[in-house]
This record gives sequence, C-alpha cells and structure tokens, in this order.
Amino acid sequence: DAKTTQPNSMESNEEEPVHLPCNHSTISGTDYIHWYRQLPSQGPEYVIHGLTSNVNNRMASLAIAEDRKSSTLILHRATLRDAAVYYCILSPGGSQGNLIFGKGTKLSVKP
Amino acid sequence: DAGITQSPRHKVTETGTPVTLRCHQTENHRYMYWYRQDPGHGLRLIHYSYGVKDTDKGEVSDGYSVSRSKTEDFLLTLESATSSQTSVYFCAMGLAGGNTQYFGPGTRLTVL
Repeated sequence: DAKTTQPNSMESNEEEPVHLPCNHSTISGTDYIHWYRQLPSQGPEYVIHGLTSNVNNRMASLAIAEDRKSSTLILHRATLRDAAVYYCILSPGGSQGNLIFGKGTKLSVKP
Repeated sequence: DAGITQSPRHKVTETGTPVTLRCHQTENHRYMYWYRQDPGHGLRLIHYSYGVKDTDKGEVSDGYSVSRSKTEDFLLTLESATSSQTSVYFCAMGLAGGNTQYFGPGTRLTVL
C-alpha cells in the first residue's frame, strides 16, 4: 500500500487559515487521496477526498499537486473545534476500502 | 454520524470470557468495517464485510470473528478475551469499497 508522510504536529491561531501538508511520492494512478480527522474521544470523521483535481466542500479544500505526489488540506478559517488529528490516506479506487491510518498530524488551535 | 451506532459504548470484562460488540447502521451501506485503535498504532482493520454473510479478514484478525446476517448489523466477537484486546473499537460503513467511510462513536473495551 502506498504510504503518506505528514508532520507530527502543527499549530494555528484561531480564525486563520491552516495548510496541512501530505507527501505521497509513491502514489499510483488509481489511488484516491482521502482526509479524515479525529477529534478527542470521537471516531474518525471524513473531511474530503480527491483524485486529480482540487476539491472544495463545506469543511475544507483539498489542493493536489500536478504530479499527485503531494497534497494539502486547507482549513480556511480555523476554529477551536478544528483541533484534532488529521489523517491523509491513500485508497485505491475499486478496493474493498481498507483505510490504512498512519499517525496523522495533530493540529492545535490557539485562541 | 447519527446513521451508525455502536453498543455497548463501554465494557469491562474478564480474561477468557466471550464478548460481542454490535454495530448498527440505518443507511443501507453495503460495506462495514471493524477497527481497533491503540496508542502508538493508530487505527487497524480487524475485519470487514462487503455484503450480508460476506466478510473478510483485516490486518489484525486473530482472536476475533464477525458476523453479518442483516445489512444493518455487523457483530464483532472476541472468542476468549485477552488483556491485549483492551482497546477502543470503531466500526465504520461505506457505500462502496475504497470510498468514503463513516465511523461510529466507538466502544471502549477493558479486559482485566
């Protein structure tokens, strides 16, 4: 399975944008890039996913590099409720859906 | 996600006893998954199901069995609980393999 690399931790100030990076240099052509987050004492929560083009939804934006070897999750205006561990995961299209969670990036948001 | 629930939410049991955890979904999703989460290991897949009575093993399936007799229910059984199975267990559902998964709130299991 293709591997992702994320910083262990990041800090942000409330109401400022946050850019969470993810490297996936061994990504294959059929791998989707998924982002999940896990708030303290809760189950993981789907954030966004994409294949080649940048994606936007109500929670975040996903910017995918042209060569697909890296991606960035963008939270446009961080709130205290966004403090969580963010996971970048590659999932092959058409697979049975085994998500392989790494250690993720722990995001702290300061008021 | 309100469409997926787990029961019980907390359980304390003794070594050697059988334990069954239940995952229930109301979204008619075809795929269901059981993960465990431990400090230093992240989430790891135990078993998954791709339809009624269709299941397969995940990364850490030893000591666990599953059953899915209805679309909405996916049961995880610890045949003879051990202390190494103390963990937080999450179930998830998905429409199709490789696609978005929605997770339940988790069950915290302690085996004494």
